[in-house]
Amino acid sequence: QVQLVQSGAEVKHPGASVKLSCKASGYTFTDYYIKWVRQAPGQGLEGMGLANPGGGNTKYAQEFQGRVTMTWDTSTSTVYMELSSLKSEDTAVYYCARGTWAYGMDVWGQGTTVTVSS
Amino acid sequence: DIQMTQSPSSLSASVGDRVTITCRASQGISHYLAWFQQKPGKAPKSLIYGASSLQSGVPSRFSGSGSGTDFTLTISSLQPEDFATYSCQQYNDYPFTFGPGTTVDIK
Repeated sequence: QVQLVQSGAEVKHPGASVKLSCKASGYTFTDYYIKWVRQAPGQGLEGMGLANPGGGNTKYAQEFQGRVTMTWDTSTSTVYMELSSLKSEDTAVYYCARGTWAYGMDVWGQGTTVTVSS
Repeated sequence: DIQMTQSPSSLSASVGDRVTITCRASQGISHYLAWFQQKPGKAPKSLIYGASSLQSGVPSRFSGSGSGTDFTLTISSLQPEDFATYSCQQYNDYPFTFGPGTTVDIK
């Protein structure tokens, strides 16, 4: 079955970087983009950007430009999202989800909790 | 960026009630609108894409409608497992933006 399995929880100090992974299985990896979405405690969903292995490109939301880098490894069907210069406001659950341009997102990962604290 | 708004922000309803949630885009997005359901501590679940098409496995009591700037999500007969937060998202124009969510709780 189609699955996105995310890496485990992280605790980081302010100013550090974090690199999360999202491993896809059960479908052709390059047929879908992987979008990263985060949710701060008690808040709504916030899109961060997407990695498009099939098209070989990435798109980042303006507010994360310069701090976020999304990469992928086709051999392991894994997408990575690295966020640098972490602040306490980056404390959130980070989700990955697969999608297509025509049909949007359909399958989500289980989420990874990132805590930024001194 | 396209701004998405939802109304109401929360509502209280009883099992069996018909529930309607509205989502509005700040500019036309054709039919590129999705709805998600999220329960506390869980990942979002995709319900609807293309404004009105149900994702596989989603019960038929859920329906979506609309085009352009105004959209609705309707639950025809609310079930106990439907108490959750519902969010819309446009994917017509990058960045794909989310609405703030509507929480449906038990009256």
